[in-house]
Amino acid sequence: DQQVKQNSPSLSVQEGRISILNCDYTNSMFDYFLWYKKYPAEGPTFLISISSIKDKNEDGRFTVFLNKSAKHLSLHIVPSQPGDSAVYFCAARDTSYGKLTFGQGTILTVHP
Amino acid sequence: EPEVTQTPSHQVTQMGQEVILRCVPISNHLYFYWYRQILGQKVEFLVSFYNNEISEKSEIFDDQFSVERPDGSNFTLKIRSTKLEDSAMYFCASGQGLQTQYFGPGTRLLVL
Repeated sequence: DQQVKQNSPSLSVQEGRISILNCDYTNSMFDYFLWYKKYPAEGPTFLISISSIKDKNEDGRFTVFLNKSAKHLSLHIVPSQPGDSAVYFCAARDTSYGKLTFGQGTILTVHP
Repeated sequence: EPEVTQTPSHQVTQMGQEVILRCVPISNHLYFYWYRQILGQKVEFLVSFYNNEISEKSEIFDDQFSVERPDGSNFTLKIRSTKLEDSAMYFCASGQGLQTQYFGPGTRLLVL
């Protein structure tokens, strides 16, 4: 099931710089997208979301951009901090009962 | 801040045994989910539950699996006869509506 793909397994960024995590999807029925952060041995923690009727949503240091025509979304973190180091998952909801389809995750490492 | 809790954090069982994984969703949430993540793989949807019944289930959720909300606070996942391939991290999630889902810390299940 490759409906949601995060093509970069890892990303390394210097503290203070921007982190950009990318996600592509194929199912045009997805209407809501979420980003989760996950530390080892913990559950995914909700970060930010965006509805398919918007193209941008911002919350503090986190901004999610959605390009529906390209079926692409990205998460920008600025400025990046060492505490942001974690696995980031993109997830998409279809129009049924809330089921989320996850990407494989991207390991973000922010170096001091 | 309210959070989803799960017990036990770890469970080791013998193949063929029954296991029950427990979750306490956030109290005013109406939608409940189970997901799992096999080591090195994506987080996968198992089942969604609303209004005391299953609203959607994946192909993984076969007759060996069942869910219950026995008392209005707990939400359980039962695996009747565990297989080696059931070894995974199991996450419970809940949502007030069909948008954001909040995840518990997970139960690590190991089937020997």
